[in-house]
Amino acid sequence: DAKTTQPTSMDCAEGRAANLPCNHSTISGNEYVYWYRQIHSQGPQYIIHGLKNNETNEMASLIITEDRKSSTLILPHATLRDTAVYYCIVRNQGGKLIFGQGTELSVKP
Amino acid sequence: GAVVSQHPSRVICKSGTSVKIECRSLDFQATTMFWYRQFPKQSLMLMATSNEGSKATYEQGVEKDKFLINHASLTLSTLTVTSAHPEDSSFYICSATKGQGIYEQYFGPGTRLTVT
Repeated sequence: DAKTTQPTSMDCAEGRAANLPCNHSTISGNEYVYWYRQIHSQGPQYIIHGLKNNETNEMASLIITEDRKSSTLILPHATLRDTAVYYCIVRNQGGKLIFGQGTELSVKP
Repeated sequence: GAVVSQHPSRVICKSGTSVKIECRSLDFQATTMFWYRQFPKQSLMLMATSNEGSKATYEQGVEKDKFLINHASLTLSTLTVTSAHPEDSSFYICSATKGQGIYEQYFGPGTRLTVT
């Protein structure tokens, strides 16, 4: 599975959009981009995934570049409860979830 | 829904004893379950993959005789840490997939193991 690169940490003001970038320049054609988040001392939570089209659900939006080498997770109106470590993972359907270090997002009042 | 539970949430045991952690899918049948370990300030590390009724597949470097995994039914997998030592103290997390073309993994809340 392709590796991903994410910033170590980011800050975001409460109520503003949080844009979390992820680079996956070695992604292959049948690999999906998955996003999970982990609030401190809890199990990870699935957020969203996509192949090449942009995706939106009740939690977030996923924007994937046309060349699929990078993506951005958007939390449209961040709240304090969105403070967590966000993991961008690239994998085949049914493949293993290999977690990197993720981005530690701090939402500040 | 897709709820996964773990029991116990926290356990403290003495060095040399064995500890069993249960992972249950509450509202779906899980064709595959996964076990992860997470040390403080680190990311999750996949330990093993288990399918109901078959032997678990362990990741490189994970001792299968130390971390016994049983997946006896479509809703239950257990991880037994045998002869636990202080270095086994960690956060153990399971996840499950529904199968049938649905590949999202749904995670349990984790079990904090402390070996004294």
